[in-house]
Amino acid sequence: SQQGEEDPQALSIQEGENATMNCSYKTSINNLQWYRQNSGRGLVHLILIRSNEREKHSGRLRVTLDTSKKSSSLLITASRAADTASYFCATEEDFGNEKLTFGTGTRLTIIP
Amino acid sequence: DAMVIQNPRYQVTQFGKPVTLSCSQTLNHNVMYWYQQKSSQAPKLLFHYYDKDFNNEADTPDNFQSRRPNTSFCFLDIRSPGLGDAAMYLCATSREAGETQYFGPGTRLLVL
Repeated sequence: SQQGEEDPQALSIQEGENATMNCSYKTSINNLQWYRQNSGRGLVHLILIRSNEREKHSGRLRVTLDTSKKSSSLLITASRAADTASYFCATEEDFGNEKLTFGTGTRLTIIP
Repeated sequence: DAMVIQNPRYQVTQFGKPVTLSCSQTLNHNVMYWYQQKSSQAPKLLFHYYDKDFNNEADTPDNFQSRRPNTSFCFLDIRSPGLGDAAMYLCATSREAGETQYFGPGTRLLVL
């Protein structure tokens, strides 16, 4: 299975601290995406990084991709209470099967 | 402005009683997806449409069917819901396969 593994499964930090989540996957990919899900809601796309990119930024988000290690990390800087959510990585495999495979997710709690 | 709309947001059905969940989109995207998400788990792809072409996942039970009568609408039919089918059902769209997916708010299904 291509399903990614995310680490840690749960993370609690104080507001203002940085949060780092990691994702590992198994096969070659075209791109890797990160999504956020608030409790009981749909997923919201955060950022997409292509296989030929190593780092990408969007506001307080920084994503890295290491295709040699088949891993990615999501860094949220200066965390806020509103960042409390589950975060999922998702990969598009490189043989064009038209779908994303989601990782197991990290539950992030920001303590005010 | 809502882009991916799911109705109803909550659905209660009886064991074995057919149920239909609805998804509509205003994005004119080619691809529409249905996911099942159980508590604290990753979304699991059930099937997707690329335009009118239906793509079923190998492990999707026959109990789950889908229809896409036009670009904007897609339906998930559960022919004989079992207790194990209680979950959040998420609809998503993307312009092209493998690109960013836009999710609806989900329909939470309860089977009594």
